[in-house]
This record gives sequence, C-alpha cells and structure tokens, in this order.
Amino acid sequence: EPEVTQTPSHQVTQMGQEVILRCVPISNHLYFYWYRQILGQKVEFLVSFYNNEISEKSEIFDDQFSVERPDGSNFTLKIRSTKLEDSAMYFCASSLQPAWAGELFFGEGSRLTVL
Amino acid sequence: QKEVEQNSGPLSVPEGAIASLNCTYSDRGSQSFFWYRQYSGKSPELIMFIYSNGDKEDGRFTAQLNKASQYVSLLIRDSQPSDSATYLCAVMDTGRRALTFGSGTRLQVQP
Repeated sequence: EPEVTQTPSHQVTQMGQEVILRCVPISNHLYFYWYRQILGQKVEFLVSFYNNEISEKSEIFDDQFSVERPDGSNFTLKIRSTKLEDSAMYFCASSLQPAWAGELFFGEGSRLTVL
Repeated sequence: QKEVEQNSGPLSVPEGAIASLNCTYSDRGSQSFFWYRQYSGKSPELIMFIYSNGDKEDGRFTAQLNKASQYVSLLIRDSQPSDSATYLCAVMDTGRRALTFGSGTRLQVQP
C-alpha cells in the first residue's frame, strides 16, 4: 500500500541551527501539507502546497520556515534557526484531492528535539 | 479563532460496548468533518469523514453530524481493545486547505 515516508524519524539539534525535514508523498498525490504536534497538544496546521507553490499557511509558519519540492518526489520543510519551542513531531501529509474533499494520508512523523 | 472542542477523557468502555465520542465546533462555515484515530506516538489515520447532516455508517463506525447544533459525533459499536487510542475530530471549510483539529478524546476499551 502506498505511504508517505518521512526522514529522519528523530532529529536532535542545538538551538539556532537549521533543520531540514524530508518527506516523500504518495506518488500520484497533488496536495502536500506539513502539520506539527507539540507533545500532549493538538495537531496544528503549518502549510499546504499545491502546483509548486504555497496555497495556505498558518500564523505559525513564519519567516523561519520554508517549504520546497526540489524534484518530483521530495517535499521538504526547512526551519532556519530553531528555537526550543520548535520541539515537536512534524507530520507530512499528502492527498489526491483538495483536503476538504477527502483523506489526508499522514507520514509517521519526524520528531524534532531542540536543545 | 476557529475552535474544535473535545472532551479529553479518558473515556473508558468495556469490550463489546458502544463508545460515543463527541465534538463541537465554533465556525458555522465549516463544511467537512473528519474523525482520525491516533495511537500513542503514531500519526493520525482517517476513520471517517462526513459532509451532510445525519448519520454515515462504515462498518462498526457511525459518524453523526448536526450542523444546526455545530456538533459531530463518532459511535464505535462492539468496541475492541485495539480501538484504544486517541480520537481526533477535525474540521475544514470548503475551499480551504487546512484542517483544524481538536485536542482529542482518549478512549480505553477494557477487556
């Protein structure tokens, strides 16, 4: 069964360092997303991406964040200068249809720990 | 600020019973409603989605939507210990691309 894959599964970094989280969405999907979940808290929307551009972003997704689809398969989230409060599980998701129309398929997540 | 509210639980039911999970939302413009299951340390996985008022059944699961009351629920019949997880309600406005999640209800099914 096709799945969304994410790497790394866990990354530990020092505050102020740059981090890149990688995702390989399901191959025929057109819509891509990043969500995050701070431990014990809600899953929060960060950004959606369609047709090689950001289609929507939340207030969390400020200038320290960026996304890129550098080739036909990868979808990356870059955090430029990490803060302690960026520690969270980051989930990549993809969908064939717009999110309101059906299922988002989530990857297993990348746990980011900022020290 | 759009809100999706859920009782955090835990909701404890015996094996074989019906589990009833509830969710309210603040935005009357919400059009699509989703129930996700999340096991501890894992990613959310979709159980059901519903767009129209009324009931929608899929196997042991029934989603119920009442837009007038801004209320959506999930019933799990014949609950199994493997159903023990956190159930996340999520809401989306048509034309938007962002799900707003509730904080989830933790369900414990006792063998």
